[in-house]
Formats: sequence, structure tokens, C-alpha cells
Amino acid sequence: EADIYQTPRYLVIGTGKKITLECSQTMGHDKMYWYQQDPGMELHLIHYSYGVNSTEKGDLSSESTVSRIRTEHFPLTLESARPSHTSQYLCASITGGGVGTEAFFGQGTRLTVV
Amino acid sequence: GDSVTQMEGPVTLSEEAFLTINCTYTATGYPSLFWYVQYPGEGLQLLLKATKADDKGSNKGFEATYRKETTSFHLEKGSVQVSDSAVYFCGGGSNYKLTFGKGTLLTVNP
Repeated sequence: EADIYQTPRYLVIGTGKKITLECSQTMGHDKMYWYQQDPGMELHLIHYSYGVNSTEKGDLSSESTVSRIRTEHFPLTLESARPSHTSQYLCASITGGGVGTEAFFGQGTRLTVV
Repeated sequence: GDSVTQMEGPVTLSEEAFLTINCTYTATGYPSLFWYVQYPGEGLQLLLKATKADDKGSNKGFEATYRKETTSFHLEKGSVQVSDSAVYFCGGGSNYKLTFGKGTLLTVNP
């Protein structure tokens, strides 16, 4: 079982609120990713990190921000939530280089902005 | 860049039917290939993987063979169960970068 955790699992908040989605892993992986999953199931990479103090934007533009102060922790923040941010957010940590690459996913946070 | 194309669903089968979900990939190198499964309300779990040509990944009755000549990694299961109902993602990975297909929703009816 993968040791990567996301909290909260479900969140309903009002428009304009600031929120932080938490993601932690105990596997010591340097590489961590955030995906947004739309209702059609497709995964969109929104942020990634290759280690402490390293953060990059992904393929899909997002109004969220991330930080990586500790290896095990990769939180995602929305400064002012909007209904368009309603989605499932999945965090993953990546191990192995070359052909050993494999992703471990958290259980996800389902965010609803009303 | 790398890309993964998988059969679009939804796929609906009766219990004990044969399952095939097609997946093809395009990559500049030779990535590892994966199938991940997502049960309702959960994150993705690795179902099986193959790291080189002609490798066969298998788990829980599912199988997929890495075919370099056709750039394919089709998922198969001989007899599906209701508990196999989930979304299945094909993916490729190399040097810490992962590319996923759009997902295929499988529903198995009793």
C-alpha cells in the first residue's frame, strides 16, 4: 500500500475562500505531482516538483499555487476559490528513473466550491 | 512529446465476459508502460506494468503485453467480475515523467 496521503478527502467551501489541499508522502520521493481530474475522468497535470524548493507549472494552466519546503510535503493552495475550481485533485509521488519510473497516488480530494 | 491513446468508453459487459481495452503509445524513447485502475471515490492504483518490449504484466487476472512493433499495450481479462467496475488508465513513463490516456470507464453487470 502506498504511503501517500491527501487531506481532506472531501471539501465544500464558499466562493472567495482560501483553501489548502494537503499532500504528504513517507517514501522519501523527490518528485511529486498534482493532477486535476475533470468529470470526464481525464487527468491534467497542474503542478510538479523535483525536490525541495523546486516547483513548476504543468500542462494545464491553474490558478492554484504549490510549495515544497519539505521533501514529504507538497501542499496546493487556492487563494480565492471559484465554482470553476470544483474538481477532483490527485497528488502523486514518483519513484525510479529511466524504466523504473512509477507513480503512487493519494486517494484524492474532491473539492466543491459553491 | 509522448502521448498515449486508449480506447474510449464507456465499456459495459456482463459478468464473466472477455475484456479488451486498447492502448497505443507514442514516445521518443522506450518508456515503461502501465495500467492504473481507479475505483469510485479513490485515487489511482497501479494494476500492472511492463518495462521493456515483449514483457507481460499481469495482476488479478488482468494481462497486458508490451508490443514494440505495434506500440501497443492492450489490457485483457478472460472473465470480468462486478468488482472490476472502475476506470482504467493506460500510461507510459520514463525519467520521472508520466503520460496518461484519457481513461476508460468499465461497468460489469451481474
